[in-house]
Amino acid sequence: DQQVKQNSPSLSVQEGRISILNCDYTNSMFDYFLWYKKYPAEGPTFLISISSIKDKNEDGRFTVFLNKSAKHLSLHIVPSQPGDSAVYFCAASLTGTASKLTFGTGTRLQVTL
Amino acid sequence: NAGVTQTPKFQVLKTGQSMTLQCAQDMNHEYMSWYRQDPGMGLRLIHYSVGAGITDQGEVPNGYNVSRSTTEDFPLRLLSAAPSQTSVYFCASSRVSYNSPLHFGNGTRLTVT
Repeated sequence: DQQVKQNSPSLSVQEGRISILNCDYTNSMFDYFLWYKKYPAEGPTFLISISSIKDKNEDGRFTVFLNKSAKHLSLHIVPSQPGDSAVYFCAASLTGTASKLTFGTGTRLQVTL
Repeated sequence: NAGVTQTPKFQVLKTGQSMTLQCAQDMNHEYMSWYRQDPGMGLRLIHYSVGAGITDQGEVPNGYNVSRSTTEDFPLRLLSAAPSQTSVYFCASSRVSYNSPLHFGNGTRLTVT
């Protein structure tokens, strides 16, 4: 049973436009959420996170939104750049276990010129 | 600062063979874990450790053994390789503290024939 779902396997966005990546979860006990970015032949790297007590967290071009009632979070990248082309994983954790993550299946983002 | 180092990068095994995937980190992180990544499945937790001498099972532990004799090292042993263990394996580490993100190695691509 996939507790963290990324229903869009791929997304293509023009350079300079907004990229919106979505993630849904089923376990209401998750209280900390993260986004990781992965380039080919490399390990995932941490991008941004959000605690369940917040509904928005911003870091430069990256903003994560959390809608707890809908069990939905999204990652906004504005403006998108070609270097953002990668696979993005959504991940969630339970209270006190920010390291023990449950990952989604990933969304491949391609930013075109 | 090397971060998380995994060896080897690639490995081909025959069914029934055993091997050890090595993982070392130089960040003095208490928490270490192993994930496998399969197409369409995201990253799934195999085993994890919150400190030397302490290990526990994750979501998909069958067929794998781990031990944690030092803070730095967390090897993953395949006891009798099976084709279903063909995957990309990632080791990750972090501090044992809330909101401390995982740092990943670059992975080991394993093929079992």
